[in-house]
Amino acid sequence: EAEVAQSPRYKITEKSQAVAFWCDPISGHATLYWYRQILGQGLELLVQFQDESVVDDSQLPKDRFSAERLKGVDSTLKIQPAELGDSAMYLCASSSSGTLTYEQYFGPGTRLTVT
Amino acid sequence: KNQVEQSPQSLIILEGKNCTLQCNYTVSPFSNLRWYKQDTGRGPVSLTIMTFSENTKSNGRYTATLDADTKQSSLHITASQLSDSASYICVVSAHAGNMLTFGGGTRLMVKP
Repeated sequence: EAEVAQSPRYKITEKSQAVAFWCDPISGHATLYWYRQILGQGLELLVQFQDESVVDDSQLPKDRFSAERLKGVDSTLKIQPAELGDSAMYLCASSSSGTLTYEQYFGPGTRLTVT
Repeated sequence: KNQVEQSPQSLIILEGKNCTLQCNYTVSPFSNLRWYKQDTGRGPVSLTIMTFSENTKSNGRYTATLDADTKQSSLHITASQLSDSASYICVVSAHAGNMLTFGGGTRLMVKP
């Protein structure tokens, strides 16, 4: 069964350093999402792509976060510089725009710890 | 403002017992409602998706209900198992289905 792939699974970095996460969605899924989940809290949408275009990045802290999906397939989320408050699980999800429900399939996540 | 409220925030039950989780929403225009299960340290996994015309849907021991008039949904878990220990997230879609509002989740712990 096709899955959303994310790497790395775990990342420890010092504050002020740069960090990047990678996501490979399910083949053929045009919509890709990046979420942040602080421990014990709900999911927060950071950015949504439709193919290579950003649909919604209203919650993305653009002074330090950037996201790209250059060829409309895999995506990279970058934080520079990282802050202590960025410690969280970063989840990627994808969905097919060919279905009415836009069901999202989530990857395993990248757990970031900023020290 | 679109909102999804879940209750309770956390719940502890004994193995074998049933439980019901609640989700109230103010999302418009409504497209569909989903329940996800998220194990600790993992990504959410879809349990059910319901559109406006559906008022109940089952997935094994999980049964979701939807009352579109009162804008309420529930997730009923029957004969709970230790592996049901997880967070359960209610997500409501607006418009064409690709604008999502997430609830804060209910953290369920099943004890032996």
